[in-house]
Amino acid sequence: DVKVTQSSRYLVKRTGEKVFLECVQDMDHENMFWYRQDPGLGLRLIYFSYDVKMKEKGDIPEGYSVSREKKERFSLILESASTNQTSMYLCASRKQGPPTIYFGEGSWLTVV
Amino acid sequence: QQQVKQSPQSLIVQKGGIPIINCAYENTAFDYFPWYQQFPGKGPALLIAIRPDVSEKKEGRFTISFNKSAKQFSLHIMDSQPGDSATYFCAASQGGADGLTFGKGTHLIIQP
Repeated sequence: DVKVTQSSRYLVKRTGEKVFLECVQDMDHENMFWYRQDPGLGLRLIYFSYDVKMKEKGDIPEGYSVSREKKERFSLILESASTNQTSMYLCASRKQGPPTIYFGEGSWLTVV
Repeated sequence: QQQVKQSPQSLIVQKGGIPIINCAYENTAFDYFPWYQQFPGKGPALLIAIRPDVSEKKEGRFTISFNKSAKQFSLHIMDSQPGDSATYFCAASQGGADGLTFGKGTHLIIQP
C-alpha cells in the first residue's frame, strides 16, 4: 500500500527557531512535494523535487528551503520560523509518469 | 493569479441529495484534472480524476463532468451520505514533474 509518512504530526516552535519537517515515502517515487494548507487558501506548493539533490521552487518558496539527500526522504526547512508560517504542511510523492499524487497525513506547525 | 477557481466554498445538502462542486481553469495546457477528498486531521486522498479527452467519468457514486470548451469541470455525488462530509479539492496539472494546482476547497456537510 502507498505510504507517505510525516514523522512530526504536531509541533510548537518559537519565532526565530530553525524547524525541520521530515517526510519519507516507501514507494520508490521520483517526485516529492511540499504543500502548505491554510483555511480559505487551499493547498499551495512550496517546493518540489524530481530527483535526489534536485529541487524546484513552487508558488510560495519564500522563507523555506528543502533537502533531498536520499530518494525516499524530502525535508522542509524553515530557517527562521515566523508566526505567519503557522500552518498545516503536507508532503506528497508521485512516480515519474503517472500523475497521481499521494499525500501524507500532514504536520501541524504552530509558531509562537 | 488563481489558476483553478472552485465554488462554492461551503455546501450543506440533505442525505440522498446530489451535491455539485464546480471548478474553472485558465491554463489550456492542463491535461489532468483530479478531485481529492480530505477528512479532518488527514491528508487529501485521490477520489476520481479525468483527462480532457472525455466529457464524463463515473466511479461508484462520484461523477466528474468535464467541459473543455468552457474550461470547467464539476464533481457530482449521487445518493450522498453523512460519511461523504469532508473537504473536496479540485486540481489540475500539465504533466512533467510539477505538482498539482489546487482550488481553494469546498467544505461539504451531508445532513442525516
